[in-house]
Amino acid sequence: GNSVTQMEGPVTLSEEAFLTINCTYTATGYPSLFWYVQYPGEGLQLLLKATKADDKGSNKGFEATYRKETTSFHLEKGSVQVSDSAVYFCALHFGNEKLTFGTGTRLTIIP
Amino acid sequence: GAVVSQHPSRVICKSGTSVKIECRSLDFQATTMFWYRQFPKKSLMLMATSNEGSKATYEQGVEKDKFLINHASLTLSTLTVTSAHPEDSSFYICSAWGQGRVYGYTFGSGTRLTVV
Repeated sequence: GNSVTQMEGPVTLSEEAFLTINCTYTATGYPSLFWYVQYPGEGLQLLLKATKADDKGSNKGFEATYRKETTSFHLEKGSVQVSDSAVYFCALHFGNEKLTFGTGTRLTIIP
Repeated sequence: GAVVSQHPSRVICKSGTSVKIECRSLDFQATTMFWYRQFPKKSLMLMATSNEGSKATYEQGVEKDKFLINHASLTLSTLTVTSAHPEDSSFYICSAWGQGRVYGYTFGSGTRLTVV
């Protein structure tokens, strides 16, 4: 079946540091890939997505590139802020089937 | 953009009572809605998938008689936790899949249920 493997957290960084959260997937075919962010006490918000190989999703300074050859969708940001502290989920799906989530990575940015 | 409204955001109920959580798609028609449960510091666990006008499909291990899901219209799905017990305390999140446009999944803001 489909699965998503995500970097174990928690991750703690200083403000303005470079961020990478690794995500790899296993799927038959080419799914759409997503990063969702969950702020404390809230639901999930779509951060960015990519629907085919070599697509780069970007939003709010975050980027992730759909790498078919390595089945990866790593999340990166060049300079993190305290407001980026949240839980980040990598996910995949085909069509309107259910999302398959990674375990989530808790990110804490300290001033 | 697509918006999903989920209510209530927090609810405290007594053990043995039932609680209803609503999930509404405000500006699109949601042919499919998903209900998730999230334990503290854990990922989301899919509980069930509901399509408008048909019975929900429950994931293995989820009690359909305890977690009643109704998807009566293209904009509303409800989750009723029946005869709630403290172990049902959790964060419940709905998600909707839109029809006709590429909305992808839009999530509600979640409901924190505490059973005392």
